Amino acid sequence: QSVLTQPPSVSGAPGQRVSISCTGSSSNIGAGHDVHWYQQVPGTAPKLLIYGNNNRPSGVPDRFSGSKSGTSASLAISGLQAEDEADYYCQSYDSSLSGWVFGGGTKLTAL
Amino acid sequence: QEQLVESGGGVVQPGRSLRLSCAGSGFTFSSYGMHWVRQAPGKGLEWVAFVTYDGSRQQYVDSVKGRFTISRDNSKNTLYLQMNSLRPEDTAVYYCAKETPFSGSYPFHIWGQGTMVTVSS
Repeated sequence: QSVLTQPPSVSGAPGQRVSISCTGSSSNIGAGHDVHWYQQVPGTAPKLLIYGNNNRPSGVPDRFSGSKSGTSASLAISGLQAEDEADYYCQSYDSSLSGWVFGGGTKLTAL
Repeated sequence: QEQLVESGGGVVQPGRSLRLSCAGSGFTFSSYGMHWVRQAPGKGLEWVAFVTYDGSRQQYVDSVKGRFTISRDNSKNTLYLQMNSLRPEDTAVYYCAKETPFSGSYPFHIWGQGTMVTVSS
């Protein structure tokens, strides 16, 4: 299994707020390494959504926000839209593994 | 705009070799660290390898150490992944990604479209 743990799936009605958790350990998120989030529409390349725990690159709507506390991080999506249906991945660096690690991914469904 | 284009994927028998390439454009290629990330069919993302901006240091996930080599030719704006002793479990879409510094944070900012590698007899 993945070093970073995410729920396999989440869902919400259009307009609702959903959140996706990412749980790590003292060697990655808890060690102070930044958490980044990526959105991947099936069949396409991942796209950077949140960097440095809670920052949005240019062009990403402010409906997307990130947070980090202790050994966990979270991605929140407010005002859910049908176009937000995708797979979402968290990512950090792991000092024990001396490498970058991803969460297992979460499939978001807009009901 | 910044762009990465991978090539070199294909079908290869177990134990054989393959070299992937990733051509960068729209940015100063020689200034940025670069990664390879793979995604097995129906699975999640897995980081594979990293090389510093000048090629002086490399890092690998344990499962490919001793078999894969990441390198770059900054004169050609190209990143490589030499894959030897390939195994069926290496079957995946391979993405190259550019690491961009944002206020001291280094996310995988720009991604290529991916190239498929299938290891099968």
